[in-house]
Amino acid sequence: KNEVEQSPQNLTAQEGEFITINCSYSVGISALHWLQQHPGGGIVSLFMLSSGKKKHGRLIATINIQEKHSSLHITASHPRDSAVYICAVRSVDSNYQLIWGAGTKLIIKP
Amino acid sequence: SQTIHQWPATLVQPVGSPLSLECTVEGTSNPNLYWYRQAAGRGLQLLFYSVGIGQISSEVPQNLSASRPQDRQFILSSKKLLLSDSGFYLCAWLDGLQRGPLHFGNGTRLTVT
Repeated sequence: KNEVEQSPQNLTAQEGEFITINCSYSVGISALHWLQQHPGGGIVSLFMLSSGKKKHGRLIATINIQEKHSSLHITASHPRDSAVYICAVRSVDSNYQLIWGAGTKLIIKP
Repeated sequence: SQTIHQWPATLVQPVGSPLSLECTVEGTSNPNLYWYRQAAGRGLQLLFYSVGIGQISSEVPQNLSASRPQDRQFILSSKKLLLSDSGFYLCAWLDGLQRGPLHFGNGTRLTVT
């Protein structure tokens, strides 16, 4: 079993739908990252969380440390949100390394 | 502000030729630096990370090597490229005190022919 599991692996939705991407992990963490990779390849950091909830525009990220679970939500989804969303955690056992989820490929249809 | 420069953006090299990819970071000091590779349609594979000048940790045995000659410079090299070295190479940095988000360069798409 991978230490960081993302679901779903692929998600196709219509423009305007509310999107949820989940990330579960099995290790103790100091922080969790959500990143976005567009088809061109570049990776952009969306959020870094250690507790609670963060919001940026139409994106919301939450984390439940007790349940070892984080969610990324997109409200009023748009075709430009189509990308791969990646969850990564910093383990408390390793100061320098990140454990990566496999990514969720999101397609938003107009 | 903090920025990361990675070049070249694309590279086509013949099998057996050498490789040098460079990554430089601005606006921070003593960052943790990373080289990742991503094969087509796959996730990120950590190749090397560095927590300081001259300190390199390798994750995957292969014909690649990395060096950090200066605090904010990270170089990925190979003496002889293999076909299997083709992929998308990404440099990234993280604040040395583990604060803040992970920053990525724009990546280098390497094709070995």
